[in-house]
Amino acid sequence: SYDLTQSPSVSVSPGQTASITCSGDKLGDKYAFWYQQKPGQSPVLLIYRDTKRPSGIPERFSGSNSGNTATLTISGTQAMDEADYYCQTWDSSTRVVFGGGTKLTVL
Amino acid sequence: EVQLVESGGGLVQPGGSLRLSCAASGFIFSTFWMSWIRQAPGKGLEWVANIKVDGSDKHYVDSVKGRFSISRDNAQNSLNLHMNNLRAEDTAVYYCARLVDGNWFDPWGQGTLVTVSS
Repeated sequence: SYDLTQSPSVSVSPGQTASITCSGDKLGDKYAFWYQQKPGQSPVLLIYRDTKRPSGIPERFSGSNSGNTATLTISGTQAMDEADYYCQTWDSSTRVVFGGGTKLTVL
Repeated sequence: EVQLVESGGGLVQPGGSLRLSCAASGFIFSTFWMSWIRQAPGKGLEWVANIKVDGSDKHYVDSVKGRFSISRDNAQNSLNLHMNNLRAEDTAVYYCARLVDGNWFDPWGQGTLVTVSS
């Protein structure tokens, strides 16, 4: 089975850049997707097809995917960005895989 | 506005059954694959099942195969998850989500909590 690995936690100071990584075998050959989940809320799509941002998602969120690692970058991190972040891809055409999630702390 | 509203969660004993529903609105339901995704308390997201636009193709995570069944009613704009032989490890918030372009989930419903306990 295919696994996606995320660091359990990342800390960042307000205004700084946060990088959240997602690793998987040849992940760069697949599409990566990112979701944000704030406490008590449902997940929200942040990035699709590696780099694309849905309407309504702030420009400070960006994505990249190459080799074995997909990266979510948050520029100028704000306190409101404190949340859990999940990456997602497809193991096959029929099986969805999520990373274990990264808790972002803004302090 | 695209909206997904789940219902049907609750407390059930191990070995019991439960049927979850998801009411969709704000988009042409019959043109999208749909999915169920769950999240155990304090844990990460786990994909559960997908269903094709016309219900003719379904896929499940290995841990629920043979116990869960996903279905849809395009006339009623509803998605269902029939869960049988429930186990403690099935305890989770179950989210309904629209599968866009066959790739990503957007939006997600608010979730419904299923608790399997005696």
